[in-house]
Amino acid sequence: DQQVKQNSPSLSVQEGRISILNCDYTNSMFDYFLWYKKYPAEGPTFLISISSIKDKNEDGRFTVFLNKSAKHLSLHIVPSQPGDSAVYFCAAIQRRSARQLTFGSGTQLTVLP
Amino acid sequence: NAGVTQTPKFQVLKTGQSMTLQCAQDMNHNSMYWYRQDPGMGLRLIYYSASEGTTDKGEVPNGYNVSRLNKREFSLRLESAAPSQTSVYFCAHGTVSNQPQHFGDGTRLSIL
Repeated sequence: DQQVKQNSPSLSVQEGRISILNCDYTNSMFDYFLWYKKYPAEGPTFLISISSIKDKNEDGRFTVFLNKSAKHLSLHIVPSQPGDSAVYFCAAIQRRSARQLTFGSGTQLTVLP
Repeated sequence: NAGVTQTPKFQVLKTGQSMTLQCAQDMNHNSMYWYRQDPGMGLRLIYYSASEGTTDKGEVPNGYNVSRLNKREFSLRLESAAPSQTSVYFCAHGTVSNQPQHFGDGTRLSIL
């Protein structure tokens, strides 16, 4: 049973436009969410996170939105750049009782010049 | 990549062989982790180490052992490799609210 789902395996966006990557979760006890970015032949790198007490967190061109009632989070990249082309993983955890993150399967973002 | 060195980058083993994957970080972090990534799945935690000399099981520890002899190095050992352990293995370190921050470039392991 996948508790964290990224239903879009791939997404293509034109350079300069907005990229929206989506993630759904089923465990209402998750209270912390992270996004990681992965380039080919490299390991993932932490990108941005959000606590369940917030509904938005922004860091430069990257904003994560959390909708707890819908159990949905999204990563917005504005404006998108070719260097943003990578696989993006969302991950979630219930910090009080769990140690390991639960990862989604990833979305390949391609930003077209 | 981000201060984490994994060796080897690629390895092919036969069923039943043993192997140790090495990981070293140069950023003086306490926390280190071993993950595996399989096709179509997210990363899954095998073992983690909160500090030198301590280790704990993650989600999928069976068939693996780890060693954290010093702050810098965290090794993962397969005592008797099985085809189900064919995967890409990532070591990570650092912490973002107690979660991994930086991952190595991975070891691609195939077991025949």
